[in-house]
Amino acid sequence: KQEVTQIPAALSVPEGENLVLNCSFTDSAIYNLQWFRQDPGKGLTSLLLIQSSQREQTSGRLNASLDKSSGRSTLYIAASQPGDSATYLCAVKDSGYALNFGKGTSLLVTP
Amino acid sequence: GAVVSQHPSRVICKSGTSVKIECRSLDFQATTMFWYRQFPKQSLMLMATSNEGSKATYEQGVEKDKFLINHASLTLSTLTVTSAHPEDSSFYICSAEITVNTEAFFGQGTRLTVV
Repeated sequence: KQEVTQIPAALSVPEGENLVLNCSFTDSAIYNLQWFRQDPGKGLTSLLLIQSSQREQTSGRLNASLDKSSGRSTLYIAASQPGDSATYLCAVKDSGYALNFGKGTSLLVTP
Repeated sequence: GAVVSQHPSRVICKSGTSVKIECRSLDFQATTMFWYRQFPKQSLMLMATSNEGSKATYEQGVEKDKFLINHASLTLSTLTVTSAHPEDSSFYICSAEITVNTEAFFGQGTRLTVV
């Protein structure tokens, strides 16, 4: 069964810092990997989708990389802002068809 | 991106009653929808896969008679929590994809509280 781990579990940074969130998964036979943002009590907002054949995706200040062979992905957030404060979830889709989620990284960006 | 609408966003019900949660894909057709549950400080756990026109596929440990799923059309799936108990209190959220193995879009989630 696919296991997804996210490190760190929580992170607090001052505004303006660049930061990296890590995600690892145990089974490299994946179709894609998706990064989400979840605000407290809310649903999930899709940030970036990386197909298994891709190495990275970028959207604005966000960049996600995928190293399928080593079972790792990173989400890079440039010039962090207080509005970036949220929980970031990594999810992989493998042969099981549905998404397998990590427990998330809770990010706090302080002014 | 595509929009998935989930309703209601919050519901409080008495123990023993049933609650229905709707999940709609507003601008695309979804042959398959997924239902997840999220407990506080935990990640999302898949409950079942909902297939249009056929029975849902439930994950191990999820009671199919308690969590009834109906995927009546290509844009609507419903989850009914029957005879709800306080331990069913949780955050329920659905997702859908336009085609297989593409980007997943999630509803806003439903906070269920059983008193």
